[in-house]
Amino acid sequence: DVKVTQSSRYLVKRTGEKVFLECVQDMDHENMFWYRQDPGLGLRLIYFSYDVKMKEKGDIPEGYSVSREKKERFSLILESASTNQTSMYLCASSTSGQTYTHEQYFGPGTRLTVT
Amino acid sequence: DQQVKQNSPSLSVQEGRISILNCDYTNSMFDYFLWYKKYPAEGPTFLISISSIKDKNEDGRFTVFLNKSAKHLSLHIVPSQPGDSAVYFCAAIKGNNNDMRFGAGTRLTVKP
Repeated sequence: DVKVTQSSRYLVKRTGEKVFLECVQDMDHENMFWYRQDPGLGLRLIYFSYDVKMKEKGDIPEGYSVSREKKERFSLILESASTNQTSMYLCASSTSGQTYTHEQYFGPGTRLTVT
Repeated sequence: DQQVKQNSPSLSVQEGRISILNCDYTNSMFDYFLWYKKYPAEGPTFLISISSIKDKNEDGRFTVFLNKSAKHLSLHIVPSQPGDSAVYFCAAIKGNNNDMRFGAGTRLTVKP
C-alpha cells in the first residue's frame, strides 16, 4: 500500500511566521504535489515536482515555495504566513512509470490555522 | 477559473437507492477523468476513472459515465450504503500533464 505521510495533522501559527509542512511518500513515486482545500473551491494545486530538485507552479503558488531535496520528501514553505493561508493542506504523490494512471495518492492533510 | 464544476454541494439518498453525482467541465482538452472520495480527517482516495475514449466504466457498485459532447460526467452508486457517505471530488487531466483540476466536491449522505 502506498503511504503518504504529513508531518502534522493540526498546526497553529502566527501571522508573519515561517511555516514548514513536510510530506513523505514510501512508494518511490516520481511526482509529488501540494494542494490546498477550501470550502466551495475544492482542491487547488499550489506546486508540484516531477523529480528531485525540480518544481513547477500550480494554480496558486503566490506566498508559497517548495523544496525537494530527496525523492521521497516534498516540503511546502510559507515564507511569511498570513491569515488567508488558513486552510487544509494536502500532499499527494503519483508515478510516471508504465503504470501511469493519473491516480494520485494523498496524505491525511494538515489543517493550518494562521492567527 | 474553475474548469471542473460540481454544482451540487450536497446530496442525500436513502440506503439501497441510487446515488448520482454530477460533474461538468469546460476544457475540451481534458482526456482523463477521475473520482475521489474523501472522509473527514482523511485525504482523498481514488475511486474510479475513465478515459475520454470510453463512455462508461464500471467497478462493482460504482459506474462512471462520460458524455464528451456535453462535457459532462456522472458517478452512479448502486445500491448506496451508509458507508458511502463522504465528499466526492471529480477531477480531470489532459495528456500526461501533472496538472489535475478538481471540482469543489459533493457531500453525499446515505441515510439508513
